[in-house]
Order: sequence, then structure tokens, then C-alpha cells
Amino acid sequence: AQKITQTQPGMFVQEKEAVTLDCTYDTSDPSYGLFWYKQPSSGEMIFLIYQGSYDQQNATEGRYSLNFQKARKSANLVISASQLGDSAMYFCAMRGNTGTASKLTFGTGTRLQVTL
Amino acid sequence: DSGVTQTPKHLITATGQRVTLRCSPRSGDLSVYWYQQSLDQGLQFLIQYYNGEERAKGNILERFSAQQFPDLHSELNLSSLELGDSALYFCASSPRLLKDFNTEAFFGQGTRLTVV
Repeated sequence: AQKITQTQPGMFVQEKEAVTLDCTYDTSDPSYGLFWYKQPSSGEMIFLIYQGSYDQQNATEGRYSLNFQKARKSANLVISASQLGDSAMYFCAMRGNTGTASKLTFGTGTRLQVTL
Repeated sequence: DSGVTQTPKHLITATGQRVTLRCSPRSGDLSVYWYQQSLDQGLQFLIQYYNGEERAKGNILERFSAQQFPDLHSELNLSSLELGDSALYFCASSPRLLKDFNTEAFFGQGTRLTVV
């Protein structure tokens, strides 16, 4: 079974500052993928970034980077230079590689509020 | 735009009724996933189809069923609706490599179901 834990229900950050959203995971799969999604108030789920368990380098996508620490089973999302439009719910998710199913397991999310 | 299309965007119906939610995956994607997002349960995996076949079942009620058609669009049927079924229902699709855990899933905008 896979489990994702996001311990921060809500976070505040000032515009132009960096913020780290925490995510820890648990899995028995030997290989897996870790994902972050953004859900603005309009409701859609927007894919942000992916990290594979065997990737040597941390993933980066523009202002998003994933701080992957395999030994600690953590996959924190770092957003640099926060913008007002970053205010949203952020979900960490993982997908294992067992059998023929590959569902995503989600955490409970962190609500980020960017302030002026 | 993720390329995944869900219709309708909003649905209001009475208890005891039956509704059908429709999803068109991204072009070329063979895997379709259905998720339910409610305030108390978070994002719950319901069911996965791959090229017309059911591949994995999650927390899907017996009153709910789904199918994937030859043209790869999918429908989620919800019957004998209860107030607690009110939620945001997402469809997601993934590329053709079923066991490729490092492929991201792209989500549609969701169908917001309100049962009154």
C-alpha cells in the first residue's frame, strides 16, 4: 500500500518569497513516481512536476523544484518567487509500479495563500 | 488546457436519481482514471480502465459503475444517488504505457455533482 502525508493544512507566504510545501511518503514498491498538482479555486487539477525514484537529480520546472530525499522518504515542493496566482491547494501524489495498475495516491493537500 | 474533457461541468440532481459523467481522454492516452474529491474524504481513487478493460478498482461503491468505450472515452454512472455523493468527480488520462509509472496523469476540469 502507498501513503502520502502532507502535514501542513495551510501556509502563508509573501509575494516574491520562496516557500516549501512538505510531503512524505511510504511505499513498498521498489520504483515509484512522485508528483505535485495544483488545484486553484476554480477546481481543476494542474500537473506541476514529477520526480522518479531512481532519478539522480532533483526535478525542476520553472519556479517549481522538488526536493527529493529518498532516505527520508520526502518529496517537498519548493516554489520560488511566489506570485499571487500561486494561491491554491497543492497536492502531493505518488504512483507505484506493481501489477498492471498504476493509480495515483494523493495526500490531503496544503492550502497556500500568497500575500502582498 | 490538459486535453482531457469532462462533461458536464456542473450537475444538480435529486436523491435517488441516476447520472452519467463523461470523459474524453487526451489524444493517444489509453488509460483513464476516475477520482472523487469530497471535503471529508479528499481525493479518492475510484476505478481505472486501460484500452477498454477495467484494471484497478478503488473505493468505488456498488451503486457506481464505469466503462471505457472503443473510442476510449469513458463514462461513470452513479445511481440511487445520496446526499453524500455530492462531490467533484475527476477523470484523468495517462499515455499508452500502462506500467510506465513515471508518466504523469493529466486531469480534466472535473464535474461538480450536487445531490439535493
